[in-house]
Formats: sequence, C-alpha cells, structure tokens
Amino acid sequence: DVKVTQSSRYLVKRTGEKVFLECVQDMDHENMFWYRQDPGLGLRLIYFSYDVKMKEKGDIPEGYSVSREKKERFSLILESASTNQTSMYLCASSGLAANSYNEQFFGPGTRLTVL
Amino acid sequence: SQKIEQNSEALNIQEGKTATLTCNYTNYSPAYLQWYRQDPGRGPVFLLLIRENEKEKRKERLKVTFDTTLKQSLFHITASQPADSATYLCALEVVLGDKIIFGKGTRLHILP
Repeated sequence: DVKVTQSSRYLVKRTGEKVFLECVQDMDHENMFWYRQDPGLGLRLIYFSYDVKMKEKGDIPEGYSVSREKKERFSLILESASTNQTSMYLCASSGLAANSYNEQFFGPGTRLTVL
Repeated sequence: SQKIEQNSEALNIQEGKTATLTCNYTNYSPAYLQWYRQDPGRGPVFLLLIRENEKEKRKERLKVTFDTTLKQSLFHITASQPADSATYLCALEVVLGDKIIFGKGTRLHILP
C-alpha cells in the first residue's frame, strides 16, 4: 500500500517563526503536492513537484516555499508564519506506473495553528 | 472562469436508500474525473476514476456517471450505510499526469 506520512499531526507556532512541514512517500512517485484546506474553501494547491529539484507554483504560493532534494521527500516552508496561515496542510503524491491512474495518495494532514 | 461545483449543503439520506451526489463543471474539458472520500481530520482517499469516453463506472455499491455534454458527473452510493457518512470530493484531470483540480466537496450524512 502507498504510504504518505507527514512529520506532525498538530503544530502550534508563533507569528514570524519559520515553519517546516515534511512529507515522505514510499512508492517512488514522481509527483508530490502540498495543499491547504480551509472550511468553505476546499483544497487549494500551494506548490507541486514533478521531479527532484523541480517545483511549480500552485494557486496560492504566496508566503510559502518548497524543497525537493530527494524523490521521496517534499518539504513545505513557511518563511515567516502569519495567523492567516492557520490551516490543515495536506501532502499528496501520485505516479503514472503501468496500469495506474493518476489518483493522488494523501497524507494524514498537519493541523497548523499560528498564534 | 473555470469552476467545479458540488452541493455545498450537506445531504441527509436514510440508511438503505441511494445517495446521489452531483459534480458540475464549467470551462474545462477533463480527460478524467475522480471521486474521493474524506473523513473528518483525515486526508482524502481515492475511490473511483472515470474517463471522458466512459459513461458509467461501478465499484461494489458505488456508481459514477460522466456526461461531457452536460458537464456533469453523478456519484451514487446504493444501499447506503451510516459508515458511508463523509465528505465526497470530485476532482478533474484535464491532461493525464497533470495536476488535479478539486471541488469543495459535499458532506453526506446517512441517517440510521
């Protein structure tokens, strides 16, 4: 079974802190994604990556950066956390192995609170 | 502008009945349409995918239809059970391998 793990389930940080959210997948997937999910707004794509060292902006990249140094790991960085970044953060991965769809496999999520 | 619309209001269905959820989209020509289930506090889980040239796809008690003329997909759960209560998300993939665009989801409650 595909497993996507995220470094924390719950995280509390202070305004201005630098925050690192880590995501690891164990299925050798090429693609990895970071979303945030807020009530009434649904899943919004922050950044995604199709390969190591590659990154693409999603719909709401402002205030975030990412790093993909290894295929299995995709990190989301909040350079200077703000209260409006309080949210549920979800990591996902997908791959196009033979006979697979492009479905995304999600991690359990990190609920980040910025005080 | 491009939009994916799902019922924003929660859907309450009596146990044993068929639950039908709707996904409408505008200004897309998706190659694939996917449905996911999300339980509170958890990440979405993939359920089914239907291709643009398929009218219907089934998996156990789940059925998905895809009407590219109406730009609509219907998601059915037959013989619904309280354990089917969750939020269901539809997602469009315009080009295979490209990013997926998610709807906001519909909350389904199956009443015992």
